[in-house]
Amino acid sequence: ETGVTQSPTHLIKTRGQQVTLRCSSQSGHNTVSWYQQALGQGPQFIFQYYREEENGRGNFPPRFSGLQFPNYSSELNVNALELDDSALYLCASSRAASGSYEQFFGPGTRLTVL
Amino acid sequence: GIQVEQSPPDLILQEGANSTLRCNFSDSVNNLQWFHQNPWGQLINLFYIPSGTKQNGRLSATTVATERYSLLYISSSQTTDSGVYFCAAYQKVTFGTGTKLQVIP
Repeated sequence: ETGVTQSPTHLIKTRGQQVTLRCSSQSGHNTVSWYQQALGQGPQFIFQYYREEENGRGNFPPRFSGLQFPNYSSELNVNALELDDSALYLCASSRAASGSYEQFFGPGTRLTVL
Repeated sequence: GIQVEQSPPDLILQEGANSTLRCNFSDSVNNLQWFHQNPWGQLINLFYIPSGTKQNGRLSATTVATERYSLLYISSSQTTDSGVYFCAAYQKVTFGTGTKLQVIP
């Protein structure tokens, strides 16, 4: 069973640029969620994708957008980067089934905005 | 939205000691998970426990959904248990504030 993978591992961008982060879900999983974790804090829910549609969103502005592909992999796009976007971005996958929402996390992408 | 609070925020244990970490949530939840975040940021699944009690080796967890809390027990702690422990409540996933555990030899 292949676990959740994310790329790249680290990324450095400058303010105003755009970034795309990628996530491959665990085999057999059809739901992907994205989280932002600032230093010293818990992960904050950005949004979730199920069957290629956004299926829930946290308190993040529209410049945070995403995609899910037919193979259930996903992208997180952030436009007009701000210094506060510097964080660890985590992707989690799960298999939507009756009553079960257990999530499995990837290793994360550490984004630094200068 | 739902609020999830964890206690204590910081904990220092002597190797071999036992501990209990608590997670309180402000509203009823369908599901709850416990994670251990290692120093490299990887969130490792410990328990998926919407209710009841589960055990895995030295770790066990109990969720009392009707009273809106969950407990994580660590027995005979080891230095490798160090890190940050999070609980997360579902459906619109909300992570707790975390407990930073340091186990000293």
